[in-house]
Amino acid sequence: DAGVIQSPRHEVTEMGQEVTLRCKPISGHNSLFWYRQTMMRGLELLIYFNNNVPIDDSGMPEDRFSAKMPNASFSTLKIQPSEPRDSAVYFCASSLYRRENTEAFFGQGTRLTVV
Amino acid sequence: LAKTTQPISMDSYEGQEVNITCSHNNIATNDYITWYQQFPSQGPRFIIQGYKTKVTNEVASLFIPADRKSSTLSLPRVSLSDTAVYYCLVGRGGEKLTFGTGTRLTIIP
Repeated sequence: DAGVIQSPRHEVTEMGQEVTLRCKPISGHNSLFWYRQTMMRGLELLIYFNNNVPIDDSGMPEDRFSAKMPNASFSTLKIQPSEPRDSAVYFCASSLYRRENTEAFFGQGTRLTVV
Repeated sequence: LAKTTQPISMDSYEGQEVNITCSHNNIATNDYITWYQQFPSQGPRFIIQGYKTKVTNEVASLFIPADRKSSTLSLPRVSLSDTAVYYCLVGRGGEKLTFGTGTRLTIIP
């Protein structure tokens, strides 16, 4: 398997524009996590899904952020409208949902810059 | 999810054994202890997971005392390539994986 695949790797956009980040989890995995990392705030969990169902979105900073998982092989994180403070590296991770399994596999991340 | 506390940074020389300790006083009975490693410009990478006593794999060892309120990640004979941030997490699969501030380990030649 190619691992967790995120696209794009880099995104530069202007304030106010809509941004969509994409994630393809590892085949067979049924838990998916979206994280955001900045120097100031570290690695923050935004939302996670089990079996395509959002379980906890308490980390989503504002209504401008939304995430979907229409099927087991694809998820999106959308920011609309984007703001400069959204600039960060966004990571997607997937794992096999078992209580005794805490091993998650992370993608390479999307570096978002909002100017 | 139990909160964890670990040193912000550590330095070590090449070839030494490095031990990073994490405190998790409020760990729940069903929680596991997991360590991740993160290099600059990469996502975190799973290192090791344990529930009690000692776990060893090809990369590291994890020591967990009987009360499970702390754990120690041991890296044998570190090299420059072990310079990274190391995160300690507690919890169960299928739940929130919450990362703290981590320990920034710097290996000195």
